[in-house]
Amino acid sequence: DGGITQSPKYLFRKEGQNVTLSCEQNLNHDAMYWYRQDPGQGLRLIYYSQIVNDFQKGDIAEGYSVSREKKESFPLTVTSAQKNPTAFYLCASSIGRAAYEQYFGPGTRLTVT
Amino acid sequence: KQEVTQIPAALSVPEGENLVLNCSFTDSAIYNLQWFRQDPGKGLTSLLLIQSSQREQTSGRLNASLDKSSGRSTLYIAASQPGDSATYLCAVQAGTALIFGKGTTLSVSS
Repeated sequence: DGGITQSPKYLFRKEGQNVTLSCEQNLNHDAMYWYRQDPGQGLRLIYYSQIVNDFQKGDIAEGYSVSREKKESFPLTVTSAQKNPTAFYLCASSIGRAAYEQYFGPGTRLTVT
Repeated sequence: KQEVTQIPAALSVPEGENLVLNCSFTDSAIYNLQWFRQDPGKGLTSLLLIQSSQREQTSGRLNASLDKSSGRSTLYIAASQPGDSATYLCAVQAGTALIFGKGTTLSVSS
């Protein structure tokens, strides 16, 4: 089955620790995205990548980092510099960078205490 | 700056009703508009994509319209079922990424 996988589904960390969220796609899509979802708010863009070894900051990139070493993988690291890391994180991909339908993974719920 | 608004925030209807969800956006310069469904604790499922040159798209009991000039889209759900209960999100694409509304939470009772 083609699609986007995110792991783990639930993640718990202590404050001050870095944590990496996994996102893998087998759709052969060039573009990949990370969004954050908080209760009562719409999804907000953290980072996006249009091609391997290239990525751009979104609206709320502070405290996060990404890498794109392979076309199918786009991991997100939540660093200790992120003030409010507890949230639902969603990964998405699309064929190209604009005007194409985006497909989403199942999400990772991160809780930091 | 593009802003997307969805009204109402929540909606409860009995099974079988036809219903309309509304989405408005402030900047008409968009590539496309997508409607998504999200079940509690789950990811987003794409329902319909309307390109900027299109007026509407249909899939089964769902019909989405787009009026770029007025900055509005509607999602029409015919003959609603309890399985339609979920949060429906509208998003517009003007640049690389999507700009989302906060969603409408639909509850369909049997």
